[in-house]
Amino acid sequence: QQPVQSPQAVILREGEDAVINCSSSKALYSVHWYRQKHGEAPIFLMILLKGGEQKGHDKISASFNEKKQQSSLYLTASQLSYSGTYFCGTEPTGNQFYFGTGTSLTVIP
Amino acid sequence: DTGVSQDPRHKITKRGQNVTFRCDPISEHNRLYWYRQTLGQGPEFLTYFQNEAQLEKSRLLSDRFSAERPKGSFSTLEIQRTEQGDSAMYLCASSPQGPRETQYFGPGTRLLVL
Repeated sequence: QQPVQSPQAVILREGEDAVINCSSSKALYSVHWYRQKHGEAPIFLMILLKGGEQKGHDKISASFNEKKQQSSLYLTASQLSYSGTYFCGTEPTGNQFYFGTGTSLTVIP
Repeated sequence: DTGVSQDPRHKITKRGQNVTFRCDPISEHNRLYWYRQTLGQGPEFLTYFQNEAQLEKSRLLSDRFSAERPKGSFSTLEIQRTEQGDSAMYLCASSPQGPRETQYFGPGTRLLVL
């Protein structure tokens, strides 16, 4: 039930772009994206809903392919503050929530 | 809005002891989730409440785990007869009523079982 993310880890220089992918074996009704820094709780980034509606930050974009059960998070012009572990999350039934396998992102000067 | 709070923030216990954690969600948030997170892994879903009703419980939640949300406000998670494998960060999150709302996480309770 756990979504699979790729890549597992990525290192960027400031200003570079990155794409993080999330793939589920189950039908997706929505996809959430969170970022977690070491020792801290996850912080909400974006939610994508079936039908194309999005809620989230202006500087982060994402796509949601319902048919392929996939989502991608696009980080452009990365900043040092973008470092952390990114998780997608899905709620297959509305009463459960499953986080993905995680992608560690490190931005270096 | 004071955010989601959890208490205690850290707990060290000996194997076999019982522990109880408390989560205070954002007021008026109907939905409450408990997760467990071990080092290097993503949060694992444990259980979900809508108001006072426990609507879902993961198979990860053995009989030693029990959660309550008696008045639809704060929630407790109890672990009986703790084992070393229970050592983890326990996270609580709440969200408003309605489908597909974002979750707001508390700071977590870090449990170490010796």
